[in-house]
Amino acid sequence: EPEVTQTPSHQVTQMGQEVILRCVPISNHLYFYWYRQILGQKVEFLVSFYNNEISEKSEIFDDQFSVERPDGSNFTLKIRSTKLEDSAMYFCASSERFRGNMNTEAFFGQGTRLTVV
Amino acid sequence: GDSVTQMEGPVTLSEEAFLTINCTYTATGYPSLFWYVQYPGEGLQLLLKATKADDKGSNKGFEATYRKETTSFHLEKGSVQVSDSAVYFCALTRMDTGRRALTFGSGTRLQVQP
Repeated sequence: EPEVTQTPSHQVTQMGQEVILRCVPISNHLYFYWYRQILGQKVEFLVSFYNNEISEKSEIFDDQFSVERPDGSNFTLKIRSTKLEDSAMYFCASSERFRGNMNTEAFFGQGTRLTVV
Repeated sequence: GDSVTQMEGPVTLSEEAFLTINCTYTATGYPSLFWYVQYPGEGLQLLLKATKADDKGSNKGFEATYRKETTSFHLEKGSVQVSDSAVYFCALTRMDTGRRALTFGSGTRLQVQP
């Protein structure tokens, strides 16, 4: 069964360092997303990406964050200068092209746990 | 803005007990509603969904009915198993406004004891 793959599963980084989280979405999917979950808190939407551009972003997704699809398979989230409060589980998700007004299912990866020290 | 409220956990049940996890939402218009499940060490998986009022989503013995009059989407299962132990998330999207992003509740941890 196709799945969304995220690497690494756990990353520890020093405050102020840049970090790149990687995701391989399901191959025929066209919409890509990043969510995060700070320990003990809600899963929060960060950004969605379609047709090589950001289609929607939340207030959390500030200038410190960027996303990229560098090739035909990978989808990355970059945090330029990490802060302690960026420590969280980051989930990548993907979905098929939207059909009419039917919402197509988002498939999630297993997450990358980012720890900023 | 839109929001989802779930009952606090953990919910601890014995095997074969009846499960209800409450979920209510705040949204204008016509959200689509979802339940996602996260098993230990795994990502989020869609459990069931409903896209319009009075729709019932069902999967693996779980059910939830979209009640617009009470803005609720409570998750139920008649007889839980130890393997159902997981964190359950209620969520919505606003496809009526073109917004695909999921808004999640805080999650409810279910622990089923043998």
